[in-house]
Amino acid sequence: GENVEQHPSTLSVQEGDSAVIKCTYSDSASNYFPWYKQELGKGPQLIIDIRSNVGEKKDQRIAVTLNKTAKHFSLHITETQPEDSAVYFCAATRAGGYSSASKIIFGSGTRLSIRP
Amino acid sequence: DTGVSQNPRHKITKRGQNVTFRCDPISEHNRLYWYRQTLGQGPEFLTYFQNEAQLEKSRLLSDRFSAERPKGSFSTLEIQRTEQGDSAMYLCASSLGTGGTQYFGPGTRLLVL
Repeated sequence: GENVEQHPSTLSVQEGDSAVIKCTYSDSASNYFPWYKQELGKGPQLIIDIRSNVGEKKDQRIAVTLNKTAKHFSLHITETQPEDSAVYFCAATRAGGYSSASKIIFGSGTRLSIRP
Repeated sequence: DTGVSQNPRHKITKRGQNVTFRCDPISEHNRLYWYRQTLGQGPEFLTYFQNEAQLEKSRLLSDRFSAERPKGSFSTLEIQRTEQGDSAMYLCASSLGTGGTQYFGPGTRLLVL
């Protein structure tokens, strides 16, 4: 079935260093890949997304890359700050059309801790 | 605040009781989704609506679960005869059209004793 694998499950980096989270997906029809940040007691918040017709997207300190052939995608956070500490989820879905498969399949999450 | 809202934020109930949660999506969003999240896991899809029509239900949604969106605006998720295994965070999300971007509410945390 559809599956998204995410690594690592926990990540601790020094403030100012970079953090990288990697994901793989199984459904070759997936064409939209959002990343969510979830803080304790809150719902997931969309931080960046990428569609399958793009290989890379950047928004300030956050960038995502997508390799459709290998079914890999990654999140890169540069110059990490204490407020980046949270759980990050990668996800995959089929966007567009009337397909009922617009549900999001989430990875299991990465708990990112920024050391001062 | 024009984001997705959910009520209540927390619910404690005894096993066997019925509970109902409400979700108010972003105004004019025609798609509404329910997910369930257990500790240490990512959200898992339960069901979704396009306007008032329920178009897909996950196998996770047992007969004790029912969701409605009667007027295509807010939605309710009811769990009958709750079990301890139902304890989780129940998340609602909404999107406009089929573009894929789903915006989540703060969730309702359910604890079944």
